Formats: sequence, C-alpha cells, structure tokens
Amino acid sequence: QSVLTQPPSVSAAPGQKVTISCSGSSSNIGNNYVSWYQQLPGTAPKLLIYENNKRPSGIPDRFSGSKSGTSATLGITGLQTGDEADYYCGTWDSSLSDGHVVFGGGTKLTVL
Amino acid sequence: QVQLVESGGGVVQPGGSLRLSCAASGFTFSSYGMHWVRQAPGKGLEWVAFIRYDGSNKYYADSVKGRFTISRDNSKNTLYLQMNSLRAEDTAVYYCAKDILTVRDYWGQGTLVTVSS
Repeated sequence: QSVLTQPPSVSAAPGQKVTISCSGSSSNIGNNYVSWYQQLPGTAPKLLIYENNKRPSGIPDRFSGSKSGTSATLGITGLQTGDEADYYCGTWDSSLSDGHVVFGGGTKLTVL
Repeated sequence: QVQLVESGGGVVQPGGSLRLSCAASGFTFSSYGMHWVRQAPGKGLEWVAFIRYDGSNKYYADSVKGRFTISRDNSKNTLYLQMNSLRAEDTAVYYCAKDILTVRDYWGQGTLVTVSS
C-alpha cells in the first residue's frame, strides 16, 4: 500500500489528452513539492516534472504538472505510442521524525 | 557527463548480507545528497535510504531500518548500501540516485539483488 495514491492504469487514443492523479496528505503533498517520473520497460525512471509544474530541459511541453491541496496531477497532451510507460509521483513526507521520500504506486499508460 | 554505476548485486540466501556500491563521476559527488531506491519485480518504486552530502544525516524506510546502512566515501566518489538480514521481500533492482525529486536528479542503471534459498 503506497502512501501516495495513483490509479493503476489509464488509457487514451493517440493524439488525445490524459491526466494521472496523485493523492496524498498534508504531511507529504500538502507541504512539499511533487515530482513526476516516466519509466519505460527495463529502464531507470526519468524525471518529467519537478517542483509541481516545472519541466527539466528536454522534456516537451506536452507534459504538464499541477498541484492543489493534497493532490497533484500529471497531464499529457498529443499522446504518442512512445508515451506508453509507467508514471510515478513522488515527494518528501515529514510525518515522521526523519524525512522520508514517498512514491505513488504507479500508473500504467496505454496508448490505444 | 553524470554517471552512476551500481555494482555488488547478486543472489544471496535469506538472512545473508550484501554490500552494494555506486561509483559516481561527472559531478562533484561531495556536494550532493544521494539515495537508494528499489523496485521489486513487476512492482513500483520504493525509496530505501538517503544520505546528506557530508554524511551527517541518514534516513531510512521503515522496511529496512535496522537492517540496511547507507554510507559514502567522498574521497572515492562512492556510495554504499550495506544490507544485512536479507529477506525474500528485499528482492529488487536497486538504483543509486542523485538528488531525486529535483532538477539535478539522476539515476544509475540499477543492480539486481535476489534473496532466495
């Protein structure tokens, strides 16, 4: 059971838009920045979004992030077959005396 | 360019020990916090441990606290994870990662640890 809750799967047709939600609490998303990762099969996770809505250099503007209260959302527009991957949200959690990093359980994106 | 190369993975019996290493290059290793993150076969990402740039603070996931120890040698640009009392549920690909969740984020390719009799 992950601290952050994501839907197990989402799907959409090529060219369409999809959103992936990430729900947490005041000890994690509510008081910390959220990041999003894309993981293609057999590879390490790749940072897509940091500080809720910023894109690292090289990440296309088809990818966007937002945060409201204790939830965050990743948006992907103009879906391509190459976007098929697992997507994870992550953030720090300050509910314990020591800092912890927490991830969502992951969402598998299928481009139909 | 930034490189993180993990090593030390393999097959170990339950209750056994293993030490993972992560050789860093292409950046000033002594200036960055480092993490270990693992991924069990077919499962999601699980954060394991963090160490500050100077080794002054270390944080662990509850699932490994008391069994795993993260450490670093800044003179050798190397990160370590000493894993003791290993269990079947510790079977995973272990990633070494730099400054995750930030724009300075970078991950190694991972090393597989299999705990099995």
